[in-house]
Amino acid sequence: EVQLVESGGGLIQPGGSLRLSCAASGFTVSTNYMSWVRQAPGKGLEWVSVIYSDGTTYYADSVKGRFTISRDNSKNTLYFQMNSLRAEDTAVYYCVRGSGYYYDWGQGTLVTVSS
Amino acid sequence: QSVLTQPPSVSGAPGQRVIISCTGTSSNIGAGYDVHWYQQLPGTAPKLLIYGNSNRPSGVPDRFSGSKSGTSASLAITGLQAEDEADYYCQSYDSSLRAYVFGTGTEVAVL
Repeated sequence: EVQLVESGGGLIQPGGSLRLSCAASGFTVSTNYMSWVRQAPGKGLEWVSVIYSDGTTYYADSVKGRFTISRDNSKNTLYFQMNSLRAEDTAVYYCVRGSGYYYDWGQGTLVTVSS
Repeated sequence: QSVLTQPPSVSGAPGQRVIISCTGTSSNIGAGYDVHWYQQLPGTAPKLLIYGNSNRPSGVPDRFSGSKSGTSASLAITGLQAEDEADYYCQSYDSSLRAYVFGTGTEVAVL
């Protein structure tokens, strides 16, 4: 059974940093396309980043230069390093398997950026 | 700011058919990129409902169907049930933005 379990969310001040983790089971992270999708409170879904199986990464313009997606193959875990956080980054962050479309989702982790 | 536009809400009585539209442009749906649909029940993570315009993952009832034409796509729910009350999102790729994009979302209410 495929499982994605996110962790690392919380309350952080503007300008701060946070690293999200996504522990995967039931499949191999390194051979799949993995993405982060976020949802601001009461709002719609927004694609944020993807890492392909060959390691190529892409980012939405809203986070480019501030966020970094990576993976640890030995731990079968996906990461999301978020720097220079802003109030508008406040959202539930979902770890998802897939790129063109997203067939497995984690439960999400809430990131709140506020002073 | 989503580039895929959906109606904010649709509603229907149990057993009825409802259709959710997803309107894009020549740089996303109109460019030939596939459209996918997700269902998000209250307080839960989204779930893939339709992929590749009209394909259902295993376990999704055949009451749900998708189609695509020109710069738009549609999700139809036939035989509406109370458990279908949820938010629905379309999704595609936009070549101008070089980004995966979601629709604005539609809330389905069962009267």
